[in-house]
Amino acid sequence: AQSVTQPDIHITVSEGASLELRCNYSYGATPYLFWYVQSPGQGLQLLLKYFSGDTLVQGIKGFEAEFKRSQSSFNLRKPSVHWSDAAEYFCAVVLESGGGADGLTFGKGTHLIIQP
Amino acid sequence: NAGVTQTPKFRVLKTGQSMTLLCAQDMNHEYMYWYRQDPGMGLRLIHYSVGEGTTAKGEVPDGYNVSRLKKQNFLLGLESAAPSQTSVYFCASRATSNQGELFFGEGSRLTVL
Repeated sequence: AQSVTQPDIHITVSEGASLELRCNYSYGATPYLFWYVQSPGQGLQLLLKYFSGDTLVQGIKGFEAEFKRSQSSFNLRKPSVHWSDAAEYFCAVVLESGGGADGLTFGKGTHLIIQP
Repeated sequence: NAGVTQTPKFRVLKTGQSMTLLCAQDMNHEYMYWYRQDPGMGLRLIHYSVGEGTTAKGEVPDGYNVSRLKKQNFLLGLESAAPSQTSVYFCASRATSNQGELFFGEGSRLTVL
């Protein structure tokens, strides 16, 4: 069965510093990969997605992610974080041919704390 | 556009009571989902629908029922609430062609005493 691992439950970063959130997936087939963000008291919002092609994808709010097939990873990065980036971040994967439910599998999330 | 709207946003129930959560989307999406979110567990799929009149079980369907009588609405019912169903519930929808690209509501926090 496919699975998504976000190794870091919490990460604290100083405002203005760079950020990298890790995501590893376990699945043999070609996955579609996503990062979602959840601000406090809100629903999830799609940050970016990878289906195929260029392995470095750009998303909203200045985020980017790089797909590395050899490492089964899809890490999220931002060069300089802002206090408004404090949120919960979820990595998710879906099979290319996932069907109705998408087979969309979420990681357990990484809670990002921004220090002033 | 309202997007995905969930009602109610908060509810407290006693064990054994029943209730229904309503999800409405105005994007003409075919696919709709109900997830629950619990601390340290991420999101888990309860039920989903691929179109009006259809429903299917997700990862954690026990204790819940759903209906999709209208394309824009997806109802989640608890017939006999249990404390284990205390959670935050999220509805989501997507267009047929956009696999994995979900639009989420703001959530409904349910407490079962």
